[in-house]
Amino acid sequence: ETAVFQTPNYHVTQVGNEVSFNCKQTLGHDTMYWYKQDSKKLLKIMFSYNNKQLIVNETVPRRFSPQSSDKAHLNLRIKSVEPEDSAVYLCASSWTGGNSDYTFGSGTRLLVI
Amino acid sequence: AQSVDQPDAHVTLYEGASLELRCSYSYSAAPYLFWYVQYPGQSLQFLLKYITGDAVVKGTKGFEAEFRKSNSSFNLKKSPAHWSDSAKYFCASANYGNEKITFGAGTKLTIKP
Repeated sequence: ETAVFQTPNYHVTQVGNEVSFNCKQTLGHDTMYWYKQDSKKLLKIMFSYNNKQLIVNETVPRRFSPQSSDKAHLNLRIKSVEPEDSAVYLCASSWTGGNSDYTFGSGTRLLVI
Repeated sequence: AQSVDQPDAHVTLYEGASLELRCSYSYSAAPYLFWYVQYPGQSLQFLLKYITGDAVVKGTKGFEAEFRKSNSSFNLKKSPAHWSDSAKYFCASANYGNEKITFGAGTKLTIKP
């Protein structure tokens, strides 16, 4: 099956802990993204990688850091989570170029208590 | 910077009616325009896109959209609407060489049987 796979589906943690989310795509795409979807369903891009190279890094707190081992994997680490980090984190992939549509993963829902 | 406006947060229709969800974009260069759908509890799915050429583009699930440069709009249409079309719809834009899509705030569509 070719798709974008995210783990875990759901994660509950306490303020100050560190969390990591994994994303893998089997579509052969060369670009991957992390988006944050808040409680109002607003989507904001966080990071974009093209062939393991960071190409988009929006203004996000420094506790967020992306990690890419190859073009098929893009993980997201959050050091010392805050309550406002509670959201759904969506991973997506596409071909290079603004005209390429995205394939999204099912998302990781983070709850910080 | 590019931006996408979806002026209607909620749209409610009866099954069998014609639906039209509004979207406007602001960017001086030729945009790439997209529509995505998010069903309850699911991730985003690609519906259709406009890159160049014919102003009317057809996508999956019987949807189509019309690009109007004159008023910077890219409205999504379907007739007739079905109760299964109830979901949140996101309009998005990108442009050549820009490795990220900017999403609108979304329109929640409710189709009553």
